[in-house]
Amino acid sequence: GAVVSQHPSWVICKSGTSVKIECRSLDFQATTMFWYRQFPKQSLMLMATSNEGSKATYEQGVEKDKFLINHASLTLSTLTVTSAHPEDSSFYICSARGGDRGSYGYTFGSGTRLTVV
Amino acid sequence: DAKTTQPPSMDCAEGRAANLPCNHSTISGNEYVYWYRQIHSQGPQYIIHGLKNNETNEMASLIITEDRKSSTLILPHATLRDTAVYYCIVFRNNFNKFYFGSGTKLNVKP
Repeated sequence: GAVVSQHPSWVICKSGTSVKIECRSLDFQATTMFWYRQFPKQSLMLMATSNEGSKATYEQGVEKDKFLINHASLTLSTLTVTSAHPEDSSFYICSARGGDRGSYGYTFGSGTRLTVV
Repeated sequence: DAKTTQPPSMDCAEGRAANLPCNHSTISGNEYVYWYRQIHSQGPQYIIHGLKNNETNEMASLIITEDRKSSTLILPHATLRDTAVYYCIVFRNNFNKFYFGSGTKLNVKP
């Protein structure tokens, strides 16, 4: 199968602190992973593309210094929300391509609900 | 990637077939049609995909018109657990990014 694990599933943090979210491909290697953000009652918005061994590429309007992405291995990408503020509260979802769907389609993690207080 | 248009919401009676339409009139010849769904507060789940032929799997059927400008996802016997937002995405299989449209909220009612 193709399973993407995301951790934590929910987190509450104080304004001004940083939060790290992990995304792991459990049974396949993923040279590319993607990070999305979803606000209530809205669709998923692509934030950035995480590339193993190189810098992430960010979508227009996404602050790369605020949303730090590290893809240090073929099975792990992390998203760090730095100096979090209440407006960063959202549902963050990662995805990866690979596994038994091979060269097509993406597998998504279960998401991380971030609440900044 | 081509843009898709879906109705914002649909209702379906439990046990009946749910037919979810999607327009993708600017689709290119090498772009696939993918369907995902998102149950509340979960990550999107893959349903089915196709290029030009109709496809069927254990979850659903995908009907693509001959001109490929539209498609329909069919859930043959909808259950309450099928209540979700369904996304139709067109995608070129060369590591392009997956962009989501607004989707269709399917409400399955008893």
